Amino acid sequence: AQTVTQSQPEMSVQEAETVTLSCTYDTSESDYYLFWYKQPPSRQMILVIRQEAYKQQNATENRFSVNFQKAAKSFSLKISDSQLGDAAMYFCAYRSRNFNKFYFGSGTKLNVKP
Amino acid sequence: DADVTQTPRNRITKTGKRIMLECSQTKGHDRMYWYRQDPGLGLRLIYYSFDVKDINKGEISDGYSVSRQAQAKFSLSLESAIPNQTALYFCATQGQGARYEQFFGPGTRLTVL
Repeated sequence: AQTVTQSQPEMSVQEAETVTLSCTYDTSESDYYLFWYKQPPSRQMILVIRQEAYKQQNATENRFSVNFQKAAKSFSLKISDSQLGDAAMYFCAYRSRNFNKFYFGSGTKLNVKP
Repeated sequence: DADVTQTPRNRITKTGKRIMLECSQTKGHDRMYWYRQDPGLGLRLIYYSFDVKDINKGEISDGYSVSRQAQAKFSLSLESAIPNQTALYFCATQGQGARYEQFFGPGTRLTVL
């Protein structure tokens, strides 16, 4: 089975600054999808961004962007201009193209300081 | 209205009791999933179903069972609850196509005393 590792259990960032959350994964597949989910205190899981492995261009969604390094099996999330509402748990997830299961990392808790 | 709903939102029960968590969806998705979330462990897959007649075990299915009553309904049961089943439980759905994300319900906080 694929494994997804988030090595930072908790991080802090000052409001308006930039923070990068790390994620690595282990796979022998060449075609797959990667996702970042946000879980605020409300518990709801919210999709932040997705990346198709066959695309070389890094995905961006407003203040959120990824640094996808396929050879290194690394998928980090960059949050620019951090806002208080960004405070949440963030989960990295992997999905094989041919299988309908997701594999989640253990999560990183992001604190945003005013 | 929410696309994926879960009932109850919170539940406290005692060891040995039978518990059912229910999930309903209006997204029209065939694929449905049950996860549990524990601090430091992320989300782990309990069971998943691709249609009413196709149910599969996930990585931590022991102590759990499921029922897919209809395309829109997928229930998780704990036949005899034990304290280490205390966790946050999520139901999720997924559409056809490899690029689609999973859509999650609001979660059920289960405490087994």
